Amino acid sequence: DTGVSQNPRHKITKRGQNVTFRCDPISEHNRLYWYRQTLGQGPEFLTYFQNEAQLEKSRLLSDRFSAERPKGSFSTLEIQRTEQGDSAMYLCASSLQGSSYTDTQYFGPGTRLTVL
Amino acid sequence: KNEVEQSPQNLTAQEGEFITINCSYSVGISALHWLQQHPGGGIVSLFMLSSGKKKHGRLIATINIQEKHSSLHITASHPRDSAVYICAVISNFGNEKLTFGTGTRLTIIP
Repeated sequence: DTGVSQNPRHKITKRGQNVTFRCDPISEHNRLYWYRQTLGQGPEFLTYFQNEAQLEKSRLLSDRFSAERPKGSFSTLEIQRTEQGDSAMYLCASSLQGSSYTDTQYFGPGTRLTVL
Repeated sequence: KNEVEQSPQNLTAQEGEFITINCSYSVGISALHWLQQHPGGGIVSLFMLSSGKKKHGRLIATINIQEKHSSLHITASHPRDSAVYICAVISNFGNEKLTFGTGTRLTIIP
C-alpha cells in the first residue's frame, strides 16, 4: 500500500469557481479525516467519516463546503463559489479504528489551493 | 487561548545539540500525537502516547497527564531534523478529531 494519496497536489482557481479534491485513504482504514491548514498555522479539523457516514463537521465547514465518502473508500471535498479566504492546504488523513479509539492517523501530502 | 500551546514557536540550534519542544494543553485528552511536517506539507506521525514515555531512535516523547504537558526531545540533532513539529491531542469527549498546536519550526545549522 502506498499510503494516503490526494489529488490534485496543487490547484489554482479564480474566485467564484468550484473545486473538488480527492483523497484515497489506506485501503483497510475505515476512518477518514479532512483538515485545513493556513500559512503559519497548525491544521484545523473540518470533518470526518467512519466508513461512508459523516460523523462530525466543524463550524469551519460553511455551506459552501461539502464532503462525501460514498462507498466508504475514497472521499471528495468540494468547495463551491471559492473565496480568497479558502486558500490553504487541505489535508486528508485516515486511520483504522481498533479496540482503542485512539488510532494513529496517517496523513496524505495535501492539496494546496490558491484562490486568485 | 488555544487548547494546545507549543513552545518555542521557532528554534534554531547547532548540529549535535539536544532539542526540547514543549506542548501544553487545556482539555482532558485520551491521546497526544507528535507530528513532523516538512516543507511542502507532508505530515508524518512520530509518536502517539497517552502516558509515560516513548523512544524511537534519537526521538523521545514524554507526557505528564496530571500536568497536561508533553515534551519532544531530539538527541544529537542533525540538519535533516529541520522541520515543523506539531503537537496534537484527541480529547476524551468521544470524538476522534485532532486538535493541533501551531507548531514549532526547528532549524538545525550544520
